Amino acid sequence: EDQVTQSPEALRLQEGESSSLNCSYTVSGLRGLFWYRQDPGKGPEFLFTLYSAGEEKEKERLKATLTKKESFLHITAPKPEDSATYLCAVQAFANSKLTFGKGITLSVRP
Amino acid sequence: ETGVTQSPTHLIKTRGQQVTLRCSSQSGHNTVSWYQQALGQGPQFIFQYYREEENGRGNFPPRFSGLQFPNYSSELNVNALELDDSALYLCASSLGGYSNQPQHFGDGTRLSIL
Repeated sequence: EDQVTQSPEALRLQEGESSSLNCSYTVSGLRGLFWYRQDPGKGPEFLFTLYSAGEEKEKERLKATLTKKESFLHITAPKPEDSATYLCAVQAFANSKLTFGKGITLSVRP
Repeated sequence: ETGVTQSPTHLIKTRGQQVTLRCSSQSGHNTVSWYQQALGQGPQFIFQYYREEENGRGNFPPRFSGLQFPNYSSELNVNALELDDSALYLCASSLGGYSNQPQHFGDGTRLSIL
């Protein structure tokens, strides 16, 4: 069964303090790994898709990387508007569903 | 480009009742997936519809059922509501069934069971 574990559960950063969010996964044949951002009362907003180990994607202050067992979401010089819950999900070749982790709640203080 | 829209935004029901939630997919998308998100948890896959056919189902009982229409919009029906059904129900649309194209989510329907 596909599994996703995200750590830490919550992270508090000072504005400008860079850090990384971890997503560990087990899946029988990875079709894709997805990162989403979710604000309170909203649906998840798509950020990145990673398909194979060694791949990296960047968007503004965010950079996602992928190994065969983990993905990291690096946040460089975060701002208060980066505060949100970040969700990681995997999709296997064998099925159509996304399997999500519980998410990491990021708070960035000004 | 219109994104994924869900209705209603909030709903309050009592145990034993039935509910229908609706979803309009993003323009150009032919696949709709439904997820249940309990408070403090990640979304859990309920099922997916691709070109009006069910294309995968998660570990949810048969009282959770769905439909997809020719315009690719979709409905989620839940019968015999239980207290544990209280959650945010999310709809996501994408292009292709067994595809690695990203799923794009609506803002969900918050269902409360009394």
